[in-house]
Amino acid sequence: QVQLVESGGGLVKPGGSLRLSCAASGFIFSDYYMSWIRQVPGKGLEWLSYISSSSSYTHYADSVKGRFTISRDNAKNSLYLQIHSLRAEDTAIYYCARDAMGPTNRPSDYWGQGTLVTVSS
Amino acid sequence: QSVLTQPPSVSGAPGQRITISCTGSSSNIGADYDVHWYQQLPGTAPKLLIYGDDNRPSGVPDRFSGSKSGTSASLAITGLQADDEADYYCQSSDSSLSGAKIFGTGTRVTVL
Repeated sequence: QVQLVESGGGLVKPGGSLRLSCAASGFIFSDYYMSWIRQVPGKGLEWLSYISSSSSYTHYADSVKGRFTISRDNAKNSLYLQIHSLRAEDTAIYYCARDAMGPTNRPSDYWGQGTLVTVSS
Repeated sequence: QSVLTQPPSVSGAPGQRITISCTGSSSNIGADYDVHWYQQLPGTAPKLLIYGDDNRPSGVPDRFSGSKSGTSASLAITGLQADDEADYYCQSSDSSLSGAKIFGTGTRVTVL
């Protein structure tokens, strides 16, 4: 069965950096686009970024462009999100998700359980 | 950044039918981007409920249905059940954001 397991969250000081990881299993990872989405506890969902199956294309929300970098390693069935210059407002649960196959605006058909990032001094 | 507006809350009695609206604009839903819906039960990750405006993934009961017209979309739940209590989010893309994905503001469904 499809499994996505995020890791790398934790308490980070403002201005710091963090790399989140997502380990995928149960499907052919290299066939799928993947996304990162975050959610401030008690608030709504915010799409952050997606990456194409071969890493040739990435797209970011304007709110994180320049500070967040999405990447993947198909040999390791892993997705990553590098975050720089962390701010208090980056405190959130970060989800990785598999994007279903299709031409555009692919729905995220499987989600991980999320990893909590807390930015505080 | 959300440009898809949903009512903050909708409630209904068990067995009733409720609808949740998702209002966008000519650059997203009105531009004929697909609308997807997610259900987030308390304390869990979101789950895909409806994709491509009106399609259900395998395993989703047919009590859930989606529709789209103009610049809006709707999710309907018939035969409301206690375990439908959750947050529901619509999602689409927006051409004014270079095709970035966008989520709706979210709707909390309460079963009375």
